[in-house]
Amino acid sequence: AAGVIQSPRHLIKEKRETATLKCYPIPRHDTVYWYQQGPGQDPQFLISFYEKMQSDKGSIPDRFSAQQFSDYHSELNMSSLELGDSALYFCASSLMGDRGSVTEAFFGQGTRLTVV
Amino acid sequence: AQSVTQLGSHVSVSEGALVLLRCNYSSSVPPYLFWYVQYPNQGLQLLLKYTTGATLVKGINGFEAEFKKSETSFHLTKPSAHMSDAAEYFCAVTLTGGFKTIFGAGTRLFVKA
Repeated sequence: AAGVIQSPRHLIKEKRETATLKCYPIPRHDTVYWYQQGPGQDPQFLISFYEKMQSDKGSIPDRFSAQQFSDYHSELNMSSLELGDSALYFCASSLMGDRGSVTEAFFGQGTRLTVV
Repeated sequence: AQSVTQLGSHVSVSEGALVLLRCNYSSSVPPYLFWYVQYPNQGLQLLLKYTTGATLVKGINGFEAEFKKSETSFHLTKPSAHMSDAAEYFCAVTLTGGFKTIFGAGTRLFVKA
């Protein structure tokens, strides 16, 4: 079965550079989530999109932005990178159930970003 | 606001022994509860979930969890640990109609031979 695809799997950037992470959700899933997991930390919610519109926002820095495109894939854009941005970035997707019921989120393998 | 507390950042059991990973939540409304497992350098894999209905839910790899509203708990258990169960386990909560899942800090499970 198709899973959530994230690219690239690994990315090395220098401070103050920009990075773009891509996420391709499971086909027919309408909701995409972005999480940041620092070393030894639990995943922290950044932002989510439902039907191409931002649906919720967490602890996402102003230097970061994201969007969901017409084909439902999503991109996380990160500018002015800092050393502390080094982390594993997960994308997840889900299908909103009837009357707003929650279904589980399926996670991608993540993109490991290293800022040097 | 909802939150998730996992008791014990590390749990060590012997192979064949009972696994018990504790999770308590706080939420102003009935939440949906999940357990995810993460192997090293891997993504998060859903073990099991509770939404409505039966409070004892069974998941993959022999794991199960019981939703106890009175105790606001959702502990994860497995009768007999296997070496392959060694991983990080995250309890998570989502509110009805919510768009974000809040994770606990995680519990790393070690399995000794």
